Amino acid sequence: QSALTQPASVSGSPGQSITISCTGTSSDVGGYNYVSWYQQYPGKAPKLMIYDVSNRPSGVSNRFSGSKSVNTASLTISGLQAEDEADYYCSSYTASRTYVFGTGTKVTVL
Amino acid sequence: EVQLVESGGGLVQPGGSLRLSCAASGFTFSDITYWIHWVRQPPGKGLVWVSRINSDGAHTSYADSVKGRFTISRDNAKNTLYLQMNSLRVEDTAVYYCARVPTTAVGTYGFDIWGQGTMVTVAS
Repeated sequence: QSALTQPASVSGSPGQSITISCTGTSSDVGGYNYVSWYQQYPGKAPKLMIYDVSNRPSGVSNRFSGSKSVNTASLTISGLQAEDEADYYCSSYTASRTYVFGTGTKVTVL
Repeated sequence: EVQLVESGGGLVQPGGSLRLSCAASGFTFSDITYWIHWVRQPPGKGLVWVSRINSDGAHTSYADSVKGRFTISRDNAKNTLYLQMNSLRVEDTAVYYCARVPTTAVGTYGFDIWGQGTMVTVAS
């Protein structure tokens, strides 16, 4: 199972919006609405930000939103803040009854 | 507080074995909703899914890279998940996390609780 494809890095200025893409296939992202997104700071465990494509867990800022079109899922961070600087990973359930993570995206706040 | 705590990591030679544990607290570990997964992260690299197990241990699945070498299991009486790792390779070196995934008939809810991770180093 190959990793889902994410851009290596995305940057933006405070207050701006950025979007991170996560591209898979019809056997994972395109086949199920089980895409989730994670934020990870260096040396820390990942934190769930979005589940089932577009749902936010309790306590996660509404500046984070998710969507999906065909085989590509997206995470949008609006009103970018310094604290959003971290690594972000997508994940999807697959037709093999396994899971796969994305390659990861480093978000930099300029 | 809902918590997962991993242990058992360390330095092992190629070809060796290691058993990781993940102790759960703050929730009903045996609840039918909760699948528990292992996810690893090689130093400086991204997250990689390893394995999962359902609430009663009857259903498991593995990444191709570990199939036949790793075995996931759980002891609901002890609220503990395990990962038996055999025939270890240098490329198995990583931080290993356990994580909870609530799963129902209508959907899954993401990896919502993670442990702090335990480091496994495979080297001679």
